[in-house]
Amino acid sequence: QSVLTQPPSVSAAPGQRVTISCSGSSSNIGTNYVSWYQQLPGTVPKLLIYDNSERPSGIPDRFSGSRSGTSATLGIAGLQTGDEADYYCETWDSSLRVVLFGGGTKLTVL
Amino acid sequence: QVQLVESGGGLVKPGGSLRLSCAASGFTFSDYCVTWIRQAPGKGLEWISYITAGRIIYYADSVKGRFTISRDNAENSLYLQMDSLGADDTAVYYCARVRLARRTAISYNVYFDFWGQGTAVTVSS
Repeated sequence: QSVLTQPPSVSAAPGQRVTISCSGSSSNIGTNYVSWYQQLPGTVPKLLIYDNSERPSGIPDRFSGSRSGTSATLGIAGLQTGDEADYYCETWDSSLRVVLFGGGTKLTVL
Repeated sequence: QVQLVESGGGLVKPGGSLRLSCAASGFTFSDYCVTWIRQAPGKGLEWISYITAGRIIYYADSVKGRFTISRDNAENSLYLQMDSLGADDTAVYYCARVRLARRTAISYNVYFDFWGQGTAVTVSS
């Protein structure tokens, strides 16, 4: 059971928008910055969002991130079949003094 | 370009030991925090440990007392000594570069911007 809670799966049709939530607590998301990673099938995880809402170079603006209180959200607009992947949130926990990953969310583009 | 290449994985018996290595290139290794992250078959990502440029170290509770992280800046290398291995340690082990910053008096930003391809560790008799 992860300290950061993500839905196990989400699905949407091509072209639509989907959001993935990541719920934590005051000692992690409520205090520290959140990052998101995309892991396409059979590949290495890739940084998608950092600093709650910043995109690394090369990440399209279809991907967005936000944080409010003790929750964070990843948004993916204009869904493509190539977006099918596992998505993970991540942050530091100031009380536990550890890095936390969410359990991961499998995105299916119908 | 930034590259991280892990090695040292393999098959080990329960209770055994293994030492993983990660060779870094394309950046000034000594200036960066680096980390180990693992992924058990069919499971999610699990952070294991990181070591800062100043050699401050943190471990996940699941490996504390069994795993030891270290770095050799002269060799641009990161290591993970794994002892008392059990079946739950079976995973692909990734090394990654860490971007670590104290953003305010109480908040931190920790994220992983470059990852290696991983090395597989199987603990089985």
